[in-house]
Amino acid sequence: GAGVSQSPSNKVTEKGKDVELRCDPISGHTALYWYRQRLGQGLEFLIYFQGNSAPDKSGLPSDRFSAERTGESVSTLTIQRTQQEDSAVYLCASSLGSGVQETQYFGPGTRLLVL
Amino acid sequence: AQSVTQLGSHVSVSEGALVLLRCNYSSSVPPYLFWYVQYPNQGLQLLLKYTSAATLVKGINGFEAEFKKSETSFHLTKPSAHMSDAAEYFCAVSAWGGSEKLVFGKGMKLTVNP
Repeated sequence: GAGVSQSPSNKVTEKGKDVELRCDPISGHTALYWYRQRLGQGLEFLIYFQGNSAPDKSGLPSDRFSAERTGESVSTLTIQRTQQEDSAVYLCASSLGSGVQETQYFGPGTRLLVL
Repeated sequence: AQSVTQLGSHVSVSEGALVLLRCNYSSSVPPYLFWYVQYPNQGLQLLLKYTSAATLVKGINGFEAEFKKSETSFHLTKPSAHMSDAAEYFCAVSAWGGSEKLVFGKGMKLTVNP
């Protein structure tokens, strides 16, 4: 079966431009997460979607970051007016349910480089 | 709030030697603990997880981890390293009654020498 997919796999952009990153979760997974992995760091939680509930945006680092999810399918993470410190690998994960013990399945990530 | 500490960033072992990757956690409520592995240019893959059942958890590829509440530890071990184990390993914690988000350690890069 298909896993979590993300696109693009790599993105190079200029400082100040907007970027959109896409995540396709595993079919049937109701929960979707975005994380950021900066060089030499662990993963940082950004945002969490569960069904039709209001998303948990507590990890978004600034108002330049936003994310949407259409129902229980595709999600897009948008970074406006990118800065060099936004350079990182952006990882998406999905899980079957919302329990804290649920296994999160990760996509391969989008490597973002802001010049 | 939960947190995870993985001391150091690199571990190097010889092929066939014991692999020991340390993870200590902090949680005010009973934790759920996870080890993920990230092979080069790939996404994270779950190795094993502790969800309050048996304290010794067996995972894929011969890895296991033991939950020790008294030591607030969840160290990952494998008796005999294989070249294919070279990867980055992340410990993560979540907790009942807390957010569903995972809190990750900084990761440990494992190198296996022939």
